[in-house]
Amino acid sequence: ELKVEQNPLFLSMQEGKNYTIYCNYSTTSDRLYWYRQDPGKSLESLFVLLSNGAVKQEGRLMASLDTKARLSTLHITAAVHDLSATYFCAVDGNTDKLIFGTGTRLQVFP
Amino acid sequence: DTGVSQDPRHKITKRGQNVTFRCDPISEHNRLYWYRQTLGQGPEFLTYFQNEAQLEKSRLLSDRFSAERPKGSFSTLEIQRTEQGDSAMYLCASRRASGRAGDNEQFFGPGTRLTVL
Repeated sequence: ELKVEQNPLFLSMQEGKNYTIYCNYSTTSDRLYWYRQDPGKSLESLFVLLSNGAVKQEGRLMASLDTKARLSTLHITAAVHDLSATYFCAVDGNTDKLIFGTGTRLQVFP
Repeated sequence: DTGVSQDPRHKITKRGQNVTFRCDPISEHNRLYWYRQTLGQGPEFLTYFQNEAQLEKSRLLSDRFSAERPKGSFSTLEIQRTEQGDSAMYLCASRRASGRAGDNEQFFGPGTRLTVL
């Protein structure tokens, strides 16, 4: 059974600091997705990583994928309050359904 | 707006009642997915359709749950004899299944929040 683990589960960080969220998964998957969710809202797609070594950046967020290590990272650079949200990684295990991680709740304070 | 839409956005019901939710996918998307998300957890897969065919159902989808996509466009998810444990956000997503890797991304609707009293 495909399992996806994220850590940390909760992250409180000061504005301007850098940090990395980790996503590990248990079986082969060539594709990995990062989503953002604000409280009470739906999921907003951030990144789609489709191959080993893929790296994508958007603003202060950068995501990477290592399919051999079954690991993805979401790096936050110089955090700002607007980044406060819950971040989910998801993999499809080369199937048609997404398996989500437990989420990382990020809180950025002044 | 050409995104995924869901109706209603919120539903409060009493235990034992039946409820039905609707999802309208992005118009050219032939795959439609239902997920359930409980508080503090990630979404969990329930079922998905390709056009009108239901291709997979999770074991989470008990006999009280049924989903349809009769004309390959919108879909409905019905829960019969609701229980308090059914309280959750029900999310719908869609994508185009073209065989191209770039079309694997699922786009999510706003969700229907169900509260069972």
